Amino acid sequence: DGGITQSPKYLFRKEGQNVTLSCEQNLNHDAMYWYRQDPGQGLRLIYYSQIVNDFQKGDIAEGYSVSREKKESFPLTVTSAQKNPTAFYLCASKPGPSTYEQYFGPGTRLTVT
Amino acid sequence: AQSVTQLDSHVSVSEGTPVLLRCNYSSSYSPSLFWYVQHPNKGLQLLLKYTSAATLVKGINGFEAEFKKSETSFHLTKPSAHMSDAAEYFCVVSLSGGYQKVTFGTGTKLQVIP
Repeated sequence: DGGITQSPKYLFRKEGQNVTLSCEQNLNHDAMYWYRQDPGQGLRLIYYSQIVNDFQKGDIAEGYSVSREKKESFPLTVTSAQKNPTAFYLCASKPGPSTYEQYFGPGTRLTVT
Repeated sequence: AQSVTQLDSHVSVSEGTPVLLRCNYSSSYSPSLFWYVQHPNKGLQLLLKYTSAATLVKGINGFEAEFKKSETSFHLTKPSAHMSDAAEYFCVVSLSGGYQKVTFGTGTKLQVIP
């Protein structure tokens, strides 16, 4: 059963703590993406990776970090430097440059208090 | 540069009546355009895509969209709304192919009244 999994679905943290969100895909896709979704703002790109051991900043990378040590995994760390981390986080993947659409995971809702 | 504008943040229709969700885009090059649907607390699901082939694109669940270059529009339509269509819909523009990032609209919430 192929797809993108994100865990956990809901995550709660205290302010000042780093937290890592998981994203795994078994679709053999080259590219992976992290988006943040806030009400009324659509999706904003945090980071993306075209290939293992390589990634680029998106529009709102400050306060976030990623790694791409394996093709199937692209974890996102929300650091204490992120001023407003409470949001819905979506991971996506794409097979390669000749494919236009991205495929999305189910998302993780992070609440920081 | 590219941008996308969804003209309505909320649309309300009665069950069985037509649905029209409006999207206008701006792109320096020939764009690829998509519509995604998101149900509450879920990921996004691709409804349909336009990638420079036929200008009338048919998608899943009876939705379709027409690419109109002269109007820079890509409106999403469905002849008859179903209760299960209630969700948020996103129009997305991308330069053709590559790893370039896509640009999402701010979304339109569709309410279907029984």
